[in-house]
Amino acid sequence: GQQLNQSPQSMFIQEGEDVSMNCTSSSIFNTWLWYKQDPGEGPVLLIALYKAGELTSNGRLTAQFGITRKDSFLNISASIPSDVGIYFCAGLYPSGGSNYKLTFGKGTLLTVNP
Amino acid sequence: GAGVSQTPSNKVTEKGKYVELRCDPISGHTALYWYRQSLGQGPEFLIYFQGTGAADDSGLPNDRFFAVRPEGSVSTLKIQRTERGDSAVYLCASSLTGTNTEAFFGQGTRLTVV
Repeated sequence: GQQLNQSPQSMFIQEGEDVSMNCTSSSIFNTWLWYKQDPGEGPVLLIALYKAGELTSNGRLTAQFGITRKDSFLNISASIPSDVGIYFCAGLYPSGGSNYKLTFGKGTLLTVNP
Repeated sequence: GAGVSQTPSNKVTEKGKYVELRCDPISGHTALYWYRQSLGQGPEFLIYFQGTGAADDSGLPNDRFFAVRPEGSVSTLKIQRTERGDSAVYLCASSLTGTNTEAFFGQGTRLTVV
C-alpha cells in the first residue's frame, strides 16, 4: 500500500515558537489532509489540500501540497499551549474504480511548554 | 446527528469473545470508513462503505473481522473470537461522498481484550 513518512516523530517547543512538520511518500496522492488528535478523541481535520502546489492557511496553520504530489508540510505559527497533541498527515489516492483510500502517517507529537 | 458517533466509547472483553462496535455517521454521508489505531501509530484502514456495500475491505486483517451497513447509515464492526492483539482504538469516519475528501471522525471505541 501507499506509505507516508512523517517527521519529526515528536517536538518540544516553547510557547510562541513556530513549528514545521512534513510528510513524504514515494507515491503520488490526489489530496493531502492534516489532522490533529487529542487524547481520547478522534482525529479532527485541520486543512485539506487538493491541488499540487496549493498553499492553504487556517488561522495560525499553513499547509502546502508539494509540486510533485508526493509531499506536504504543515506550519504552525506562534504556538500556544492548546496546540499540544498529535498531528497526522493523510493522503488520499484512488484504490480501484471510483473508490478512494485515505492512508495516514505515524504522527508528530507536539508538546508546547508555556 | 451533528457528528460521527461511536458506541461504546470503551469495551473490555475476554479473549475469545465476540464484540460489536457501532458507528453512526453524519446524516446524509454516503461514505463510511473504519480504521484501527494502535498506540503510537496513525490510523490504519480497515474497510470502506459506499452506501450499503463494502467498496473496499482490503484492510480487514483476517476473517474474524466483518462489518455491515445494511441501510446505508449505521455501521457495525464485528470481531469474532477476539485476541489480545485486537486491542486498539477503532475509529469510524464518514464523508459526503466517496470522492469527497473531508472525512470526519468519531471519537473512537477503545477495545481491550484481556
